Amino acid sequence: DAGVIQSPRHEVTEMGQEVTLRCKPISGHNSLFWYRQTMMRGLELLIYFNNNVPIDDSGMPEDRFSAKMPNASFSTLKIQPSEPRDSAVYFCASSFGGLGEQYFGPGTRLTVT
Amino acid sequence: AQTVTQSQPEMSVQEAETVTLSCTYDTSESNYYLFWYKQPPSRQMILVIRQEAYKQQNATENRFSVNFQKAAKSFSLKISDSQLGDTAMYFCAFMKLILTGGGNKLTFGTGTQLKVEL
Repeated sequence: DAGVIQSPRHEVTEMGQEVTLRCKPISGHNSLFWYRQTMMRGLELLIYFNNNVPIDDSGMPEDRFSAKMPNASFSTLKIQPSEPRDSAVYFCASSFGGLGEQYFGPGTRLTVT
Repeated sequence: AQTVTQSQPEMSVQEAETVTLSCTYDTSESNYYLFWYKQPPSRQMILVIRQEAYKQQNATENRFSVNFQKAAKSFSLKISDSQLGDTAMYFCAFMKLILTGGGNKLTFGTGTQLKVEL
């Protein structure tokens, strides 16, 4: 089985540009999570969905960040406009049910110059 | 809110030796899960082991085992017969148990960088 798929793996963009990160969860999983990893703040949850519905977006840093899950097999995290402090590795993870382990994608390394 | 503390930023161990990574957590919850994740240089997050708080028996997965002390809120990871491929950042994580619905978030510690040396 394919694991969690994220694209792109690397993204370099200029400040002010829109960035869209994509995630395909493991088939059959009903929960999807977006995490951000930085040296300063470690791993932090941005938002998570259950059955395509956002459950907790309290970790989304500000209005520049938005996430959608239009169906069970696809989610996006958008940053508009991007800023240098958004540079980080962004992980998507999925799980089945409330008791399941979370399986992580390979991450997207975002660099905003 | 839950907090997870890993007080050892870096550790090293000789190949084939045993090493223990420490983790403590703070929570008022009684039902929860604890995890150890491994992040090698490839940066892929890999689940190593999981422990349900209601289970008294410590979880084991091959060379990996935990020492779960619920009263002390301690959850250490022991790696036996260390291998070069064990070199990675190790994260301890907490998940509150919610019986209805799904999607329980993980709270991570700051990680311990483990280096296995020849």
